[in-house]
Amino acid sequence: DAKTTQPPSMDCAEGRAANLPCNHSTISGNEYVYWYRQIHSQGPQYIIHGLKNNETNEMASLIITEDRKSSTLILPHATLRDTAVYYCIVSPLLELTFGTGTRLTIIP
Amino acid sequence: EPEVTQTPSHQVTQMGQEVILRCVPISNHLYFYWYRQILGQKVEFLVSFYNNEISEKSEIFDDQFSVERPDGSNFTLKIRSTKLEDSAMYFCASSEVLTDEAFFGQGTRLTVV
Repeated sequence: DAKTTQPPSMDCAEGRAANLPCNHSTISGNEYVYWYRQIHSQGPQYIIHGLKNNETNEMASLIITEDRKSSTLILPHATLRDTAVYYCIVSPLLELTFGTGTRLTIIP
Repeated sequence: EPEVTQTPSHQVTQMGQEVILRCVPISNHLYFYWYRQILGQKVEFLVSFYNNEISEKSEIFDDQFSVERPDGSNFTLKIRSTKLEDSAMYFCASSEVLTDEAFFGQGTRLTVV
């Protein structure tokens, strides 16, 4: 079973920052926090991952709390194309256990 | 941008028949994976493959399933005797290293009738 807890759904206005929370209170020291998204039934798309430090790439930022028990994915300027299911996954390797994720809907 | 390619996009097969799903991973990647997603359910890990052998497999990946890298570019998933419950979207993925991003293909929708 997935080791993360995410809200089942969220809405965000187009152009605003989308902040998606994730709890992973039982994370182990060697486990990374991965974020993927799935648009309709397409293949999951990698967004970002981190171990301890905050990370940023061209798609998003990942904020991991100091105790590593929770994280937040930030999409800085959400567009309609960001409507998708977002998965937060903790894993030491890439044998990923997907949960049910957060269905993010971007509102025009 | 490099991508993982899966063929066919949709396959219909009769129960009990063998089916082979094909994937072309990204060329410099060393780690290969199969996942599946039954309609309306979670994405589930099936198997990982490295250096021409299985690294990890889930409980789903029983004796009916096998994987192979028959040449330098293809990575295949075989289901020997398909069951109705094998109907799902099957995703292939590859990665360059063990802990970096995995690139997923667009999937093969398998329908067993």
